[in-house]
Amino acid sequence: KAGVTQTPRYLIKTRGQQVTLSCSPISGHRSVSWYQQTPGQGLQFLFEYFSETQRNKGNFPGRFSGRQFSNSRSEMNVSTLELGDSALYLCASSLLGSYEQYFGPGTRLTVT
Amino acid sequence: GENVEQHPSTLSVQEGDSAVIKCTYSDSASNYFPWYKQELGKRPQLIIDIRSNVGEKKDQRIAVTLNKTAKHFSLHITETQPEDSAVYFCAASTGANSKLTFGKGITLSVRP
Repeated sequence: KAGVTQTPRYLIKTRGQQVTLSCSPISGHRSVSWYQQTPGQGLQFLFEYFSETQRNKGNFPGRFSGRQFSNSRSEMNVSTLELGDSALYLCASSLLGSYEQYFGPGTRLTVT
Repeated sequence: GENVEQHPSTLSVQEGDSAVIKCTYSDSASNYFPWYKQELGKRPQLIIDIRSNVGEKKDQRIAVTLNKTAKHFSLHITETQPEDSAVYFCAASTGANSKLTFGKGITLSVRP
């Protein structure tokens, strides 16, 4: 099976812009979670989607949003970018009812 | 909410020696404890996990132990090799498809 894929792999944006990141889960995985990874804060949970519904949300401002499509692909959007949003954004997928989460390669976002 | 702490932050061992990485968690409802290995520039890779109904789990050179009473779990790597050099993250969650709360990670260096 193909692993979790994320596009794009790298992005450079300027403050105030918005960005959309995409995640395609492993075939058959219907739960998708997003995490932000920074050197200072480590890996932090953003949100989790299943069946096009957000089931859990982390402690991030409303500028961070996401959605999931009927084919389980997910997108996350960050509006009004700030310098502090520079990070590696990782998505992870899992089977419904499963504990194991498998990560994609991430999207490296740099905000200048 | 859950808080996962990981100590030490760096660990250096001689090739062939054993390495032990410890994590503590705060939420007694946590029942799943995975370990991820992240090499430079790569995705976090699930290497081993344990559920709260098990005290120890082994997979070749790696093992994980869990002490629910003390709320800590540890990763044991025997016969370390240079390719074991990476950042290792512990995490905890309270159920299937639930958010993972990560420790800050430990950088393991294996000296040839």
